Amino acid sequence: DAGVTQSPTHLIKTRGQQVTLRCSPISGHKSVSWYQQVLGQGPQFIFQYYEKEERGRGNFPDRFSARQFPNYSSELNVNALLLGDSALYLCASSLTYLGNNEQFFGPGTRLTVL
Amino acid sequence: GESVGLHLPTLSVQEGDNSIINCAYSNSASDYFIWYKQESGKGPQFIIDIRSNMDKRQGQRVTVLLNKTVKHLSLQIAATQPGDSAVYFCAENSNQGGKLIFGQGTELSVKP
Repeated sequence: DAGVTQSPTHLIKTRGQQVTLRCSPISGHKSVSWYQQVLGQGPQFIFQYYEKEERGRGNFPDRFSARQFPNYSSELNVNALLLGDSALYLCASSLTYLGNNEQFFGPGTRLTVL
Repeated sequence: GESVGLHLPTLSVQEGDNSIINCAYSNSASDYFIWYKQESGKGPQFIIDIRSNMDKRQGQRVTVLLNKTVKHLSLQIAATQPGDSAVYFCAENSNQGGKLIFGQGTELSVKP
């Protein structure tokens, strides 16, 4: 079975641009969470979606938004990119939104903002 | 504030030795803890988890210990191998849905 997939693998943008990152969860998983991992640090929670509804939001500005589709895939959008948005963006899927469910991470999308 | 911290940022061990990676967490209400392994260029990989009603859990070559009194978590790797070289993160569930709070990470380097 395929694990969590993310696209694109790498992305280079300039300040002020907008970006959309995509995630497909493991088959049967209904929850998708997004994390930002800055180089040298642990992942930071951005959003969690379950059954197309937002279930949690981390301490990120409104420039960050996300949505989940009927097939449980998800997109993360970031507007008005800043240099500080350069990071590895990770998607994790789990069966439910409950915290004690194992979360499986994808390989991430490496975003570089110039 | 929210934080899960690690005592040691780097750990270097000899192949075959046992490794111990430590972690301190701050939220006494957290009831689920996970250790992840992250290799360069990859996403975090689940190693082992433990719930707050346990103080020890064993997997294949790995053991996680939880001390709720001092809010401390440790990962023990037996007979460390070169393939174990990676950054290890502890994470806690903050009882806010699926949100995980990660620590900074410990880089484990295994010398042959």
